Amino acid sequence: KQEVTQIPAALSVPEGENLVLNCSFTDSAIYNLQWFRQDPGKGLTSLLLIQSSQREQTSGRLNASLDKSSGRSTLYIAASQPGDSATYLCAVRSDMRFGAGTRLTVKP
Amino acid sequence: DGGITQSPKYLFRKEGQNVTLSCEQNLNHDAMYWYRQDPGQGLRLIYYSQIVNDFQKGDIAEGYSVSREKKESFPLTVTSAQKNPTAFYLCASSPGDRNTGELFFGEGSRLTVL
Repeated sequence: KQEVTQIPAALSVPEGENLVLNCSFTDSAIYNLQWFRQDPGKGLTSLLLIQSSQREQTSGRLNASLDKSSGRSTLYIAASQPGDSATYLCAVRSDMRFGAGTRLTVKP
Repeated sequence: DGGITQSPKYLFRKEGQNVTLSCEQNLNHDAMYWYRQDPGQGLRLIYYSQIVNDFQKGDIAEGYSVSREKKESFPLTVTSAQKNPTAFYLCASSPGDRNTGELFFGEGSRLTVL
């Protein structure tokens, strides 16, 4: 059974910092991996989808990488802004497993 | 605009009552899903449907029921058999196969048992 872990559970950084969020999974036989953002009391917004044959995807200040052999994905956020404050979740598309998320706070 | 609409946004239920959460999508997606989210936990899959008139149980289907009579609609009924129904419920859809298509989510419905 696939298990997905996101560490740290919470992260607080000053505005302007570059930061990395981590997602680990136990079974490397995945179809793809998707990163989401969730604001309090809201649904999930898709940020990036990485197919299993890809190594990374980029969208604006966001870059996500995937290393299936080590069971890891990272979400890199460049030049963080207060508007980036939210919970970030990863979903591994085999058995449709989600991590518990990393709650990010970017301080002005 | 295309998207997924969930209603109601907030719902209160007395113990022993069944309630139905609505989910409608106009993205022309084949697959639809229901997830439950509890504080500090990841999303857990309740039910999913790949085509009309067909659906499969997820990890926590006990106490829930669904139907898929139309491609656009996937309502979830929380029955009185669900022992701890207070949670945030999220509906999602994806094009094509459940393992490969990009997931899109609605805004969620918060159910509280009084």
